[in-house]
Amino acid sequence: QVQLQESGPGLVKPSETLSLTCTVSGGAVSSESYYWTWIRQPPGKGLEWIGEIYHSGSTNYNPSLKSRVSMSEDTSKNQFSLKLSSLTAADTAVYYCARVLLHCGGDCPLLDYWGQGTLVTVSP
Amino acid sequence: DIQMTQSPSSLSASVGDRVTITCRASQSINSYLNWYQQKPGKAPKVLIYAASSLQTGVPSRFSGSGSGTDFTLTISTLQPEDFATYYCQQSYSTPKTFGQGTKVEIK
Repeated sequence: QVQLQESGPGLVKPSETLSLTCTVSGGAVSSESYYWTWIRQPPGKGLEWIGEIYHSGSTNYNPSLKSRVSMSEDTSKNQFSLKLSSLTAADTAVYYCARVLLHCGGDCPLLDYWGQGTLVTVSP
Repeated sequence: DIQMTQSPSSLSASVGDRVTITCRASQSINSYLNWYQQKPGKAPKVLIYAASSLQTGVPSRFSGSGSGTDFTLTISTLQPEDFATYYCQQSYSTPKTFGQGTKVEIK
């Protein structure tokens, strides 16, 4: 059974950098069959795609966040991570990590497994 | 960026009703369209991928159709557990944008 679990601080100060880690069990982050992605959701609002990382280390980021985002992976720990810098109150959200299935026999990909999400509040 | 527009933003329906939600892309995305269901306090769950393929384990009352720019999610007979918010997402190009969501409420 595939499981993803986000971890990191629940409260971060403005202008600081957020660091979140997603630990994957039941599947390898080094697999060529998947991307790994971060999605966020401000309280009471919709979903925003932050970016994705492939096992080769290649990344795609949302242009709206690109100057502040970086993603990495640690295959030895089966984890991938998100860093978001220069935080403001607008970055307050539930942050989800998810697995992106690349091959499904059609016009893929899709997000087939998600973590439970972690609420990050940006406040002094 | 490809903009995804869902309609309606919310709807009220009764158990047993047929419900249809539409999603329009700002440019053609072929069939790179997924539908997710989200319940309060929970992560989204994929229902439909590649516009019309039912994810394993999802009840057959859910169906999807469309290609190009116009897509539909249909719930044939609404059940109590279907009251939730539904999102479409295009996976054609980055950033892989979501629609704003459609909240299905009890009438």
